[in-house]
Amino acid sequence: GAVVSQHPSWVICKSGTSVKIECRSLDFQATTMFWYRQFPKQSLMLMATSNEGSKATYEQGVEKDKFLINHASLTLSTLTVTSAHPEDSSFYICSARRGAAGTDTQYFGPGTRLTVL
Amino acid sequence: DAKTTQPNSMESNEEEPVHLPCNHSTISGTDYIHWYRQLPSQGPEYVIHGLTSNVNNRMASLAIAEDRKSSTLILHRATLRDAAVYYCILKERNAGNMLTFGGGTRLMVKP
Repeated sequence: GAVVSQHPSWVICKSGTSVKIECRSLDFQATTMFWYRQFPKQSLMLMATSNEGSKATYEQGVEKDKFLINHASLTLSTLTVTSAHPEDSSFYICSARRGAAGTDTQYFGPGTRLTVL
Repeated sequence: DAKTTQPNSMESNEEEPVHLPCNHSTISGTDYIHWYRQLPSQGPEYVIHGLTSNVNNRMASLAIAEDRKSSTLILHRATLRDAAVYYCILKERNAGNMLTFGGGTRLMVKP
């Protein structure tokens, strides 16, 4: 099956610092990856769509200057939370799209739990 | 946006079949029906998807109503490891292939 990894699995940082989260598709190439955020007892909310070689597309209400996304290769996308604050504490999950448009399937990473003190 | 409606929670006994319903009355002709599940503190896991015909794989079966306005995910023999939140999602072809997660159904499996 398709495998997507995330690193780190959890991180604790001080308010005002930046945190980078990596998402890798281990056994397939993904031109498109997605970043989601999930608060406790809530569903996943799409933050942005990451396209290899081009700028990410952000959902309404998501600050692109705060959540920097770089899709540098067909197997790696990174999300950097800049100047993190306690309200950014959340479970961040990425997914990678595999297959042709329309019949594709998304495979999700295990998630990264961010705690900002 | 095409939306889905699922019960908030369901209970099942271990080793019994589980039928998880999903209503999607506004589904369009080209929308695929996807099911994912999320175990506690993990990312969602793909379960199954279909368009019109019933589908089977090693994890589950998907039964799709003839008018496609509802579907049912069938776990043939629930185990404790199947306790998770199950999401029924319509994959909209014209929405950048993104997945829009609703509330899902929290399945509890009793030993």
